[in-house]
Amino acid sequence: NAGVTQTPKFRVLKTGQSMTLLCAQDMNHEYMYWYRQDPGMGLRLIHYSVGEGTTAKGEVPDGYNVSRLKKQNFLLGLESAAPSQTSVYFCASSYPAYIAGVGNEQFFGPGTRLTVL
Amino acid sequence: GQQVMQIPQYQHVQEGEDFTTYCNSSTTLSNIQWYKQRPGGHPVFLIQLVKSGEVKKQKRLTFQFGEAKKNSSLHITATQTTDVGTYFCAGRDRDDKIIFGKGTRLHILP
Repeated sequence: NAGVTQTPKFRVLKTGQSMTLLCAQDMNHEYMYWYRQDPGMGLRLIHYSVGEGTTAKGEVPDGYNVSRLKKQNFLLGLESAAPSQTSVYFCASSYPAYIAGVGNEQFFGPGTRLTVL
Repeated sequence: GQQVMQIPQYQHVQEGEDFTTYCNSSTTLSNIQWYKQRPGGHPVFLIQLVKSGEVKKQKRLTFQFGEAKKNSSLHITATQTTDVGTYFCAGRDRDDKIIFGKGTRLHILP
């Protein structure tokens, strides 16, 4: 099993450009998450999804959009990139907490390092 | 909204010394998870605590969940260079929302 994969690993954008980050998981997890990590700020939740076709806002959703058309994929879009969006982006997936007998720990992808000039 | 405060932000210890990081939530948690992130890596799950007053051990690591389910701690005995990294707690509230603490970065001095 590959676990959680993210593409691309690195990207440099100019202000105003758009891009999509792709996250894929092969663990049949219901829940998927997008975080950004900045120095001294820990992990901040951008958007999350509790199932195929559903998405919800997290702590810092402005400037981002997401889609979960397939259970195994969770896309994060930046429509008009800004320098403030320079960060490391992590995708994660997990089982729901309400399923008895399985852990609901989050499995993280390797991250995408994005620089916006 | 729910907040999870984690202290200290940084900790430098001599190899062989003990290390502790603390997590405090503004609300009662249904569970708390701990993750470790090595430099340049991604967070990796360590453990989950669910019960009030729960204590779990993994070799040199001891995890505690407070009686009120609002605080937690991670204690490492006799640190080694392999313990270097950032340790995060993540609290799950009763609405199934997860909030990560900002992490404690552990640096080991040889």
